[in-house]
Amino acid sequence: GNSVTQMEGPVTLSEEAFLTINCTYTATGYPSLFWYVQYPGEGLQLLLKATKADDKGSNKGFEATYRKETTSFHLEKGSVQVSDSAVYFCALSDRETGANNLFFGTGTRLTVIP
Amino acid sequence: EPEVTQTPSHQVTQMGQEVILRCVPISNHLYFYWYRQILGQKVEFLVSFYNNEISEKSEIFDDQFSVERPDGSNFTLKIRSTKLEDSAMYFCASRTDFSDTQYFGPGTRLTVL
Repeated sequence: GNSVTQMEGPVTLSEEAFLTINCTYTATGYPSLFWYVQYPGEGLQLLLKATKADDKGSNKGFEATYRKETTSFHLEKGSVQVSDSAVYFCALSDRETGANNLFFGTGTRLTVIP
Repeated sequence: EPEVTQTPSHQVTQMGQEVILRCVPISNHLYFYWYRQILGQKVEFLVSFYNNEISEKSEIFDDQFSVERPDGSNFTLKIRSTKLEDSAMYFCASRTDFSDTQYFGPGTRLTVL
């Protein structure tokens, strides 16, 4: 089946620290991979995506590379800011079904302190 | 930039009552979804809808749930007889038929008392 395993939180970092949030997946087919972010009191926003092996998604200084050999899609940022404090969700899209339903990880809460 | 909208932002209801959650997907999108997030847990898929019918549903989406696209813009989720365990944040999402990127609304927080 399809599933996403995400690094347990919460994660607390100082401003300008390096961030890694681990994500691994299990999929029946060849999924697309996503990172969504949920800021306090808001809905889910797409942060970045990758659709095939070795693709790198990037946005707002965040990056993640689709690693088929390790079934991973780890999120990284070189220097976090206080405004990055949010919950981060790794997800995959099941392209085996026409509807492309999303399967989410449990979310990782990031708090960045000044 | 177009966005998915949802109403109400917060709904409080008594156990056993019917609720309808409303969503307006992005106008040129053809696939529509409902997900829910129980407090502190992962976001879970409920149902997908395409071409005026359900294309897939999860085990959560039992006979108490239904979806409808009553006109060209709204997409609704109805819960016939709410239970305490239906308390959650409900997200609507939509996408085009040429991309698998889903765009989410801000959510409706449902509280069942």
